[in-house]
Amino acid sequence: DADVTQTPRNRITKTGKRIMLECSQTKGHDRMYWYRQDPGLGLRLIYYSFDVKDINKGEISDGYSVSRQAQAKFSLSLESAIPNQTALYFCATGGQGASGANVLTFGAGSRLTVL
Amino acid sequence: QKEVEQDPGPLSVPEGAIVSLNCTYSNSAFQYFMWYRQYSRKGPELLMYTYSSGNKEDGRFTAQVDKSSKYISLFIRDSQPSDSATYLCAMSDDTGGFKTIFGAGTRLFVKA
Repeated sequence: DADVTQTPRNRITKTGKRIMLECSQTKGHDRMYWYRQDPGLGLRLIYYSFDVKDINKGEISDGYSVSRQAQAKFSLSLESAIPNQTALYFCATGGQGASGANVLTFGAGSRLTVL
Repeated sequence: QKEVEQDPGPLSVPEGAIVSLNCTYSNSAFQYFMWYRQYSRKGPELLMYTYSSGNKEDGRFTAQVDKSSKYISLFIRDSQPSDSATYLCAMSDDTGGFKTIFGAGTRLFVKA
C-alpha cells in the first residue's frame, strides 16, 4: 500500500456542488498538507496541519476548508465548487530529514474538473 | 514577485548530456533547499536536499546552493531517458514553520 493514499483519483463535478477529497497516511507523521498544482504555477499550499488540533491556512485557502479527523486522515472540502478550482490536488505528509529538513511525502494526486 | 522562480521549460536534451536546472529565490530566510522529481500522473518525490550553502552529490545528481546570489542548481550527469520528468525546486526556512514553497517546475525530456 502507498504511504499516502488519496481518494478519489479523478472527479468531474458541476459548479456549485460540494466536493470532498480524502487523504490517509501510514507514515505516522504529525504534519499533513494539501497542495494544488496548476500548469506554470507549480504547487501552492492550501492548508496545513501540525496535529489534530492545529490547522493553518496556506497561501490560497479561500474557497476551501479542511478537517483533520485523526493523525492519519486529512480531508479537503470545496463547499461550492467553481471552474477555476479545476486542478490537480496533492496531499502530503511532512517528516524530519537528517539535517532537520521538512521532507514531504506526496500522494498520487486527485484530479478535479469543475464544469 | 514570486518567492521562488523556476523556468518551466520544456528542456529537451540528448541522452548522455549534462543537464542544468536552476531556481532563484527572494527570501533570505530560506535554509533548506530541495529538489523533487515528478513523473507524469504521479506525485512529486524527494530527490535530494541541502542545508544552507554548498554542494551535495548523489550518484549522477549534484545540488548546488549559492545563498549570496539566492540561486540553486541541480546538475544531472549522463542523463538517461528515465530522467524525463518535471523537476521542482522547493525551499523552507528553519523557524519551525515547516512551510515548503515550490517553484513552478521544469519539464525535462531526455531523448534516446
